[in-house]
Amino acid sequence: AQSVTQPDIHITVSEGASLELRCNYSYGATPYLFWYVQSPGQGLQLLLKYFSGDTLVQGIKGFEAEFKRSQSSFNLRKPSVHWSDAAEYFCAVGALNAGNMLTFGGGTRLMVKP
Amino acid sequence: DSGVTQTPKHLITATGQRVTLRCSPRSGDLSVYWYQQSLDQGLQFLIQYYNGEERAKGNILERFSAQQFPDLHSELNLSSLELGDSALYFCASSRVLRDEQYFGPGTRLTVT
Repeated sequence: AQSVTQPDIHITVSEGASLELRCNYSYGATPYLFWYVQSPGQGLQLLLKYFSGDTLVQGIKGFEAEFKRSQSSFNLRKPSVHWSDAAEYFCAVGALNAGNMLTFGGGTRLMVKP
Repeated sequence: DSGVTQTPKHLITATGQRVTLRCSPRSGDLSVYWYQQSLDQGLQFLIQYYNGEERAKGNILERFSAQQFPDLHSELNLSSLELGDSALYFCASSRVLRDEQYFGPGTRLTVT
């Protein structure tokens, strides 16, 4: 069975600083990987996805993520954080052998200091 | 706005009752997924339908059931509700199976 681990429950960064959110997955085949963001009281918004090809993927709002098969990781990065980026971030893996159901990590809550 | 709509936005009901949550997928999307988000369990996949047929099942209780109708909207039925069923219930949709999922705003269920 697939699983996703987000080791950091909370992260605080200063506005303008760089950001990296960690994600490690376990899946028996080539994974479909996703990052979603959830603002308080809102639904989940897709930031970016990896299906195949280039291991560095670009997403919305200036985010990017790098797929590293050897490390089973899919870390999310942003070079300069804005106060509006404060939210909860979820990494997910899609199980293609089960209709592409998503297995989510526990989430990382990002706080941005002015 | 993802294009996925869910009603109602909030639902407060008593233990033992039955409720129905409704989801309309994005235009053209054939697959609908239901997820539950709670503080203790996190985000968990419940069930998936594709073009009217059940495709995958996750940690869905026997008291819960779902269906997808010919117009592709979906309903999640929760019965014999317990306090522990209080959660956010999300619907997501995708165009085909191997595609990204877009989430609706969720229905917040409170069981008292």
